[in-house]
Amino acid sequence: GESVGLHLPTLSVQEGDNSIINCAYSNSASDYFIWYKQESGKGPQFIIDIRSNMDKRQGQRVTVLLNKTVKHLSLQIAATQPGDSAVYFCAERRPGGSYIPTFGRGTSLIVHP
Amino acid sequence: DSGVTQTPKHLITATGQRVTLRCSPRSGDLSVYWYQQSLDQGLQFLIQYYNGEERAKGNILERFSAQQFPDLHSELNLSSLELGDSALYFCASSPRLASGANVLTFGAGSRLTVL
Repeated sequence: GESVGLHLPTLSVQEGDNSIINCAYSNSASDYFIWYKQESGKGPQFIIDIRSNMDKRQGQRVTVLLNKTVKHLSLQIAATQPGDSAVYFCAERRPGGSYIPTFGRGTSLIVHP
Repeated sequence: DSGVTQTPKHLITATGQRVTLRCSPRSGDLSVYWYQQSLDQGLQFLIQYYNGEERAKGNILERFSAQQFPDLHSELNLSSLELGDSALYFCASSPRLASGANVLTFGAGSRLTVL
């Protein structure tokens, strides 16, 4: 598949390690946050979401942490696998009527076997 | 397969030309979103339609326009193309306008190259 080719921060990890991808969001009034994964040649895919009234949410091998004080999100991936290699985006939903998800710049995760 | 279909997958054209990108949303989804993904800008929201009506506009240039048809498919029209318009254009859909969770389902994108 073709590469998106974005100039992004990159996180390189070894297979089996835990990965932590960070995201700073911009609007303190944002009430809902989503992590997406974009593999080469594909569109972004939903991974996990969290509402602003929560601090933590767990999925299968993934955990999202929300720190509203410093407007920071993190995505933790346990036992990272080569198939997790992708670009990861956080998106915030800002209030104001249209509730359009606004995406951050993304982080490229490279998992070495 | 996400259920969101975009055509064409790849398109190469010249500056000054006009192209149309097409999107069929996931079955049952009423809301369609267009995003542009370029090297330097990440995913930029362009425009949203809901059940045939424009509902929100983002960083969409005046040279660009879109519409959503009665069968809910959407088209993004890009005219007077410039080199800087080269990008991946994504369509996404969601079931409703905005309530509770607002998870978007994305298509595979249309890669536009302007020479």
